[in-house]
Amino acid sequence: EVQLVESGGGSVQPGGSRRLSCAASEFIFSNYWMSWVRQAPGKGLEWVANIKEDGSETNYVDSVKGRFTISRDNAKNSLYLQMYSLRAEDTAVYYCARVKKAVHIDSWGQGTLVTVSS
Amino acid sequence: SYELTQPPSVSVSPGQTAKITCSGDALPQKYAYWYQQKSGQAPVLVIFEDYKRPSGIPERFSGSTSGTMATFTISGAQVEDEGDYYCYSTNPTGTQGVFGGGTKLTVL
Repeated sequence: EVQLVESGGGSVQPGGSRRLSCAASEFIFSNYWMSWVRQAPGKGLEWVANIKEDGSETNYVDSVKGRFTISRDNAKNSLYLQMYSLRAEDTAVYYCARVKKAVHIDSWGQGTLVTVSS
Repeated sequence: SYELTQPPSVSVSPGQTAKITCSGDALPQKYAYWYQQKSGQAPVLVIFEDYKRPSGIPERFSGSTSGTMATFTISGAQVEDEGDYYCYSTNPTGTQGVFGGGTKLTVL
């Protein structure tokens, strides 16, 4: 069974930074695109970013472009999301997700909560 | 930016058919996917590539598309099917994922 375990969530002040990590196991990590998806409290799902198998291509939702960076380390079976210039509207549970056929998410982690507040 | 539009809520009685729609201009060219999310849990993929069911998903769950509309159907909804349902697709260039706003399904 695919395992995705996020870490790095917590409280951060507006304008601050945070790095999320996702440890993947039970599948060949380097064979899959990966994504981050977030969900603000009581709100719907929002796709945030994805990254190609070898890290050579990344894509972002417009609202985080220039502030967030998705990356991966295939040797460590790990996915990352570096977040800068955080805003209150970035408060959400952030899910690490495996992407099938470079398009859709077929497996999700349990999420990590990031709270941006002064 | 590209959007997928869903009704905020759908309500049916147990045993009835529940239909949730998802509208998007690129759906004739891009697949639709459907996710179920129960309270406090991560989403689960229930339909992929418009109408296919992953293993372990009940046969009462089905999907279809027509033009710019994708439809998720539960034939004979059960109380345990209550939750939030999200359609998902990609923008026309395929560079960004997009979720619909979600539909809260109530079965009572």
